Amino acid sequence: KAGVTQTPRYLIKTRGQQVTLSCSPISGHRSVSWYQQTPGQGLQFLFEYFSETQRNKGNFPGRFSGRQFSNSRSEMNVSTLELGDSALYLCASSLEGRGLIDTQYFGPGTRLTVL
Amino acid sequence: AQKITQTQPGMFVQEKEAVTLDCTYDTSDQSYGLFWYKQPSSGEMIFLIYQGSYDEQNATEGRYSLNFQKARKSANLVISASQLGDSAMYFCAMRRTSGNTPLVFGKGTRLSVIA
Repeated sequence: KAGVTQTPRYLIKTRGQQVTLSCSPISGHRSVSWYQQTPGQGLQFLFEYFSETQRNKGNFPGRFSGRQFSNSRSEMNVSTLELGDSALYLCASSLEGRGLIDTQYFGPGTRLTVL
Repeated sequence: AQKITQTQPGMFVQEKEAVTLDCTYDTSDQSYGLFWYKQPSSGEMIFLIYQGSYDEQNATEGRYSLNFQKARKSANLVISASQLGDSAMYFCAMRRTSGNTPLVFGKGTRLSVIA
């Protein structure tokens, strides 16, 4: 079974631009979560989608948004990019996102650099 | 609120020896899960092992075992017979059972295996 895929793997943008990252979950997984990883803040939760609905949201400004499609693929968008948005963005999928046995499996990440 | 503490920023281990990576956690929840992930330099987070708070036996997965001491709120990862390919960042994470809660991660421990 194919793992979680994320595109693109690397991205360079300039301040003020916007960016869209894509995540395809493991087949059959309906929950997709997004995390931001930076050297200073570590891994921080952005949001989670399940059945095309945002089910949980972390403490990030409104410039960060996402959506999920009917095939469970998810996109996240960052508008008006700031230098501090430079990070590794990780997507994780799980079957239903509930319960202890529902492990999250991660993709390879998208490394975003904002100049 | 949940919190994960990993006190070892970096560790070295000789090839073929065992190593223990420390993880302590703080939560007021009674039902929760503890996870360990490995992150090589490529960036992908690889799931290693899981322990539920009500599991009486320590979890094992091949060369990985989790030393779970509930009263001390610790969930240390033990890697036996270290290999060069084990060199990576290791993250301890937790998530509570109730609700659709995200993973909360520690800062990680960088393990270097020496030949």
